[in-house]
Amino acid sequence: QQQVKQSPQSLIVQKGGISIINCAYENTAFDYFPWYQQFPGKGPALLIAIRPDVSEKKEGRFTISFNKSAKQFSLHIMDSQPGDSATYFCAASTQGGSEKLVFGKGTKLTVNP
Amino acid sequence: NAGVMQNPRHLVRRRGQEARLRCSPMKGHSHVYWYRQLPEEGLKFMVYLQKENIIDESGMPKERFSAEFPKEGPSILRIQQVVRGDSAAYFCASSPPSRESPLHFGNGTRLTVT
Repeated sequence: QQQVKQSPQSLIVQKGGISIINCAYENTAFDYFPWYQQFPGKGPALLIAIRPDVSEKKEGRFTISFNKSAKQFSLHIMDSQPGDSATYFCAASTQGGSEKLVFGKGTKLTVNP
Repeated sequence: NAGVMQNPRHLVRRRGQEARLRCSPMKGHSHVYWYRQLPEEGLKFMVYLQKENIIDESGMPKERFSAEFPKEGPSILRIQQVVRGDSAAYFCASSPPSRESPLHFGNGTRLTVT
């Protein structure tokens, strides 16, 4: 069964610290790996995404690191802020598109002031 | 530019009733997706539709669930004879035709079956 395993389930970080969320996958056909941010009562919003031809992608304070051989990818949030407190989901799909995304179970991030 | 609009935001149904969830995609988006989110779980793909066509319904339960995206009007996710296990948040997402375009999600419909 296609699966994406995400850890940790919850994470508490102090303001200014680095938040790190990890995901692992089994299906080597996955070729698109987005991260979504979800606030309570809202739908997920795309944060950043990576394809397997690069090992790292950075957008502002958010960085995805991708390790194809280990079938793992992670999200790093630098200089974490209280406004980053949300649930983060990693996802994966095949054929390079957003169709039929397989999501991890989510990480609830709390950034303390 | 309005985002993906879902209604109702909250829906309460008794066991055995029907639930109809509506989704209007973003302007210019012709692809619609439905996902279900159970408490403490990630989103699970249900169905992918284009106008008047179901492209992939591999995530839909075999019975009681159906979806449509007519030529005119919103996409509808219909759940017949609801059971308590159907209680969840149902999210609709849309995208333009390009396969590499990201999904834009609505704020969901929270269905509670009593």
